[in-house]
Amino acid sequence: QVQLQESGPGLVKPSETLSLTCTVSGGSISSYYWSWIRQPPGKGLEWIGYIYYSGSTNYNPSLKSRVTISVDTSKNQFSLKLSSVTAADTAVYYCARDHTATVGPGWFDPWGQGTLVTVSS
Amino acid sequence: QSVLTQPPSVSEAPRQRVTISCSGSSSNIGNNAVNWYQQLPGKAPKLLIYYDDLLPSGVSDRFSGSKSGTSASLAISGLQSEDEADYYCAAWDDRLNGWVFGGGTKLTVL
Repeated sequence: QVQLQESGPGLVKPSETLSLTCTVSGGSISSYYWSWIRQPPGKGLEWIGYIYYSGSTNYNPSLKSRVTISVDTSKNQFSLKLSSVTAADTAVYYCARDHTATVGPGWFDPWGQGTLVTVSS
Repeated sequence: QSVLTQPPSVSEAPRQRVTISCSGSSSNIGNNAVNWYQQLPGKAPKLLIYYDDLLPSGVSDRFSGSKSGTSASLAISGLQSEDEADYYCAAWDDRLNGWVFGGGTKLTVL
């Protein structure tokens, strides 16, 4: 079965760029959408954006100016970059397979275990 | 302030039934399917209900979902202590052109 694993630095300085990678195992990254979702400590979930395996993207309007999601099909990975981070970007970051299809929105399943990224000097 | 509105908390005794509401608008719940996620303490969210009322393989049939107009509900029957978790509703929002979540509901089994 498909499993997802996030990786990247757990500490990022303010104004710098947060970079995370999600590695997909047990299945191909092709033919699916892949999303990033975050959760600040003690708070709810926020969708960051998704990428289709072909490279097309869609971002949360509130983060669009700072977000870049990319995909590397040869490595079965997709990545997140969030620029100009502040303490408000401190959160657990999850990657998930997004079952959105050409016929319409889908659902998130499965999810990675999540990785905590703290923004602090 | 979340786009979808959920009660912050609900509680009920073991073996009883509880419902969690999720209120939205015509641009999200009113025009798109609702999904529900369960987040156990310290864990990643897990898909519980998709397309308003469908159960993924392996999810107990004690869980059920429904939708009417711009509101949706998650029902859990025969409450067990292991159901204590945070529950989130989610839907696509046509106006925002993205996914939106409810603020989450913490379920306590008394």
